[in-house]
Order: sequence, then C-alpha cells, then structure tokens
Amino acid sequence: QVQLRESGPGLVKPSQTLSLACTVSSGAFNSGSFYWTWIRQSAGKGLEWIGHIYGRGTTNYNPPLKSRVTISIDTSNNQFSLKLTSVTAADTAVYYCARSPVTYSPWFDPWGQGTLVTVSS
Amino acid sequence: QSALTQPASVSGSPGQSITISCTGTTSDVGGYNYVSWYQQHPGKVPKLMIYDVSNRPSGVSNRFSGSKSDNTASLTISGLQAEDEADYYCSSYSSSALVVFGTGTKVTVL
Repeated sequence: QVQLRESGPGLVKPSQTLSLACTVSSGAFNSGSFYWTWIRQSAGKGLEWIGHIYGRGTTNYNPPLKSRVTISIDTSNNQFSLKLTSVTAADTAVYYCARSPVTYSPWFDPWGQGTLVTVSS
Repeated sequence: QSALTQPASVSGSPGQSITISCTGTTSDVGGYNYVSWYQQHPGKVPKLMIYDVSNRPSGVSNRFSGSKSDNTASLTISGLQAEDEADYYCSSYSSSALVVFGTGTKVTVL
C-alpha cells in the first residue's frame, strides 16, 4: 500500500520561498506511471491543485501559480518536492502531496497526511 | 479558471438520500467524463469516493454513487448515516487549468 508523507518548515516569512518534500514509500515510486501532485487547502477554504510531475521531470502547473511554482523529482530518494516563491499570507494553507494516474482523469489517491505552512513574519 | 460550483450545504435525516451537485462548463465537467468526488472529515485527509463520474474505488460503500448531465455532475448518498457527515468536494479535468476543484459542500446529518 503506497504511503506519502510531506515534510518541511511549518513557518515561512513573507517574500521568501516555501519548500516542501513528499516521500513516497519504498518500492512504490515508479515515477513514470503516475502524476505526483501537490494540492493545498487554506483554512476554511476549498482545495486548490498546484501542479504535478511525472516521468523524468515533466511538469504541469496551475496557471495562477505557474510563475511562482517549481516541482522537482528525486527518484533516488523516492521524493518529489515543491518550491513556491515570493509567498504571502494568502499562501498559508495545508499542503498535501498525492498520486494520480497518468491520464486526463484527475483523481487523487492516496494522499499524504498534509502539512500546515504558515506565512508570517 | 473558476472553481466548480457546489451548494454550500446539504442536509438530510438518517436513512434518506441526498444529492450534491457540481456545476462547471463545457471546458471541464461538461466536456469530459473525468469527474471525481472526495469526502473530508474535519481535520482529516480527503478520501476518494468516486472517479470518472461514476466509478467507486475498492472499499467505498455502494451507498455512494455518481452521475453527470450536461455541465453538472452529482454525488448521491443513499441511506444517509451519521458517519457521512463531512465536507465533499468534486474535481474535474479542465482544458484550461488541467485540474479544477469544486467549492465544497458541507453535509449535515440531522
């Protein structure tokens, strides 16, 4: 059973870069078969797709965030990562990593447990 | 790309059936059979309940069913139970943004 786990700082200062990693359970990280995805959820708000990576590093990002987002992959460590630059309070959210099939159908399963990132000075 | 529109809240009594709608456009819900639904209990991780409009993952109760008509997808919960009280989100492929989520619906069991 695949498991994902997010890690990274819980507090980031405004204008700085948010960096998170998602570790995928050993043996499950066949990166070419799935989209490895980042999703966030602001307090009391809905879900927002950030972007995904697959294969050797092909990425797609949500257009409103595209200029600030970079998703990368490290297959040797079964990890993929998120960097979000120039953060503001609006980027405060629970960040989830998840897996979805490499098709047009965006269904996400499983999800990581989520990690809260607060943007504050 | 705007979020898909869901009712803010839906309620029902135990044993009843309720339906949650998810309205988009021809660029997302209406144009593709790629709608999924998620259940999220307070403080918990979203759980996939339906994918590709009407398919249930293994382990999901058959009390949950999905359908679609034109630009609106629907999630129906039959035989409502107390444990169904949660937030529900739809998601769809979008030709402009690739993935768009719904605004979310709070289900209350009376």
